[in-house]
Amino acid sequence: DGGITQSPKYLFRKEGQNVTLSCEQNLNHDAMYWYRQDPGQGLRLIYYSQIVNDFQKGDIAEGYSVSREKKESFPLTVTSAQKNPTAFYLCASKKWAGDNSPLHFGNGTRLTVT
Amino acid sequence: DAKTTQPNSMESNEEEPVHLPCNHSTISGTDYIHWYRQLPSQGPEYVIHGLTSNVNNRMASLAIAEDRKSSTLILHRATLRDAAVYYCILRDVTSGGSNYKLTFGKGTLLTVNP
Repeated sequence: DGGITQSPKYLFRKEGQNVTLSCEQNLNHDAMYWYRQDPGQGLRLIYYSQIVNDFQKGDIAEGYSVSREKKESFPLTVTSAQKNPTAFYLCASKKWAGDNSPLHFGNGTRLTVT
Repeated sequence: DAKTTQPNSMESNEEEPVHLPCNHSTISGTDYIHWYRQLPSQGPEYVIHGLTSNVNNRMASLAIAEDRKSSTLILHRATLRDAAVYYCILRDVTSGGSNYKLTFGKGTLLTVNP
């Protein structure tokens, strides 16, 4: 079955460490997205990528970095510069950034930094 | 950017219809209205989208006001599995034309009573 896989489901890190969240899709989608969700809040866009080797900052990109070297993969690195990294991180993809095809989401990674 | 306004929460009884409202008074002529829902500890899933005409699919119906300043997601017979946060969002085309962001607000928490 096609879909988006985020791993791991839960991740624990010490403050000051960088951590990379994995996102893989086998839907052959060009566009991929990273969102952050805090308790009781909506989703906020961190970064998005329209196509391989391209990505743009979303609304809250500070303290995060991404790469898009392969179509299937869009890893997100939470750096030590991110002041409040503890959150639920969601990866999504869609066929093409410019159309109205729906976003497909993974089941998220819950990151806890202490 | 066009914004949406939704009630924080709504309650329904099982097997009764549910009408979830969304106001988007600053919608532009080419903004599409999308609905997603998020079950606890999962990523959101696509429900339906439309531009001007009412839309139906196996999950729900979307009723769009004639002036497009509001819309209503209709669940014809609520089940316990429909308990989720429902997001009404608008296509957000940044300057530059081809970028396509979907911005999520806090949504409406729907509780379904047995």
